Amino acid sequence: DSGVTQTPKHLITATGQRVTLRCSPRSGDLSVYWYQQSLDQGLQFLIQYYNGEERAKGNILERFSAQQFPDLHSELNLSSLELGDSALYFCASSPRDIRGTNTGELFFGEGSRLTVL
Amino acid sequence: GQNIDQPTEMTATEGAIVQINCTYQTSGFNGLFWYQQHAGEAPTFLSYNVLDGLEEKGRFSSFLSRSKGYSYLLLKELQMKDSASYLCAHQNFVFGPGTRLSVLP
Repeated sequence: DSGVTQTPKHLITATGQRVTLRCSPRSGDLSVYWYQQSLDQGLQFLIQYYNGEERAKGNILERFSAQQFPDLHSELNLSSLELGDSALYFCASSPRDIRGTNTGELFFGEGSRLTVL
Repeated sequence: GQNIDQPTEMTATEGAIVQINCTYQTSGFNGLFWYQQHAGEAPTFLSYNVLDGLEEKGRFSSFLSRSKGYSYLLLKELQMKDSASYLCAHQNFVFGPGTRLSVLP
């Protein structure tokens, strides 16, 4: 158990819909990262937050947005869903910022599997 | 840019040694990470190199050459449970495509 909690574990929805994925980082970790992993693909970095602030952005679509709340949990919002958005979405946390000299290892949640029909 | 390359697939025999290579290009560098990911599961941390040389951790070792933009993960005494994808990532947490390792009996 990494200490990172993601909900829901599985989600099935239709094209055009909107979903929210939730992540609670490990206790004490200030950084939250979101990744998308499509079937048999690598981890695509989406976005990172540190203590409530957006710090780095990867290949995140405009239809997707995220935020980190004062209690440090984070939500990833996916809207106008398309078939190609079906993937495993991972959240990871670490104690330090992405801009630091040593961000430390990432601790991953079990992921939220999104299926868009 | 931040590009990371790894072989897509590798196969090895139980009890053998396998080396998984990773080459990278990055405008900034603060370390190279290796993660293991079993199918459908979360990645888990294996090793971290920030200085050139070899870091050994039990059956797993990782090597880094910053001047060459090159790292490898060495797995010794392979076990069936080592069948997984191995991902290298540089400090900005951009991950390579992963190498799927199959360990055969």
